[in-house]
Amino acid sequence: DAKTTQPNSMESNEEEPVHLPCNHSTISGTDYIHWYRQLPSQGPEYVIHGLTSNVNNRMASLAIAEDRKSSTLILHRATLRDAAVYYCILRVALGGSQGNLIFGKGTKLSVKP
Amino acid sequence: DAGVTQSPTHLIKTRGQQVTLRCSPKSGHDTVSWYQQALGQGPQFIFQYYEEEERQRGNFPDRFSGHQFPNYSSELNVNALLLGDSALYLCASSWGPSGGTDTQYFGPGTRLTVL
Repeated sequence: DAKTTQPNSMESNEEEPVHLPCNHSTISGTDYIHWYRQLPSQGPEYVIHGLTSNVNNRMASLAIAEDRKSSTLILHRATLRDAAVYYCILRVALGGSQGNLIFGKGTKLSVKP
Repeated sequence: DAGVTQSPTHLIKTRGQQVTLRCSPKSGHDTVSWYQQALGQGPQFIFQYYEEEERQRGNFPDRFSGHQFPNYSSELNVNALLLGDSALYLCASSWGPSGGTDTQYFGPGTRLTVL
């Protein structure tokens, strides 16, 4: 599986945008980019995923570089509840061939009031 | 709509004992995956069950085994517990064959402490 690289930690102020980077230079053409986050004392939760085009949902936006070797998760207005560890994960597109998520250490996001 | 539930919440065992953890998937989901999360680390994949069979397995010894029931709920069994098995055990559910676009829903986990 292709690996991802994320900063260990980042800080943000409440109500400001947050850009969480992820490098995946060995990504293949069929790998999807997924983001999960894990709030303190909870299981991970899905945030967003994409393949080539930028994606938006109610939680966040995902900006994917044209060469797909990096991506950025964007939280438009950080709240205290967004303080969590954010994981960037690559998943192959072939159904049934990869059931697991491969987590790295992720980026620990702190949000200051 | 209930999400993924796990029991028990916390568990304390001693070395050499055996433990069984339980998971009920989100309504409508038929696939269950188990993960182990040591303190300060990301979750590590143990195995995945689909149609009552183990479909994929991570790099864990045979002491770790599982089962999926006809109602899609699942159990994780760990035999001959070691101190290093102390961790948060997470269950995740999803629907159908896994691949690039499926979303896994995680439960709150079972905190296992081995003394």
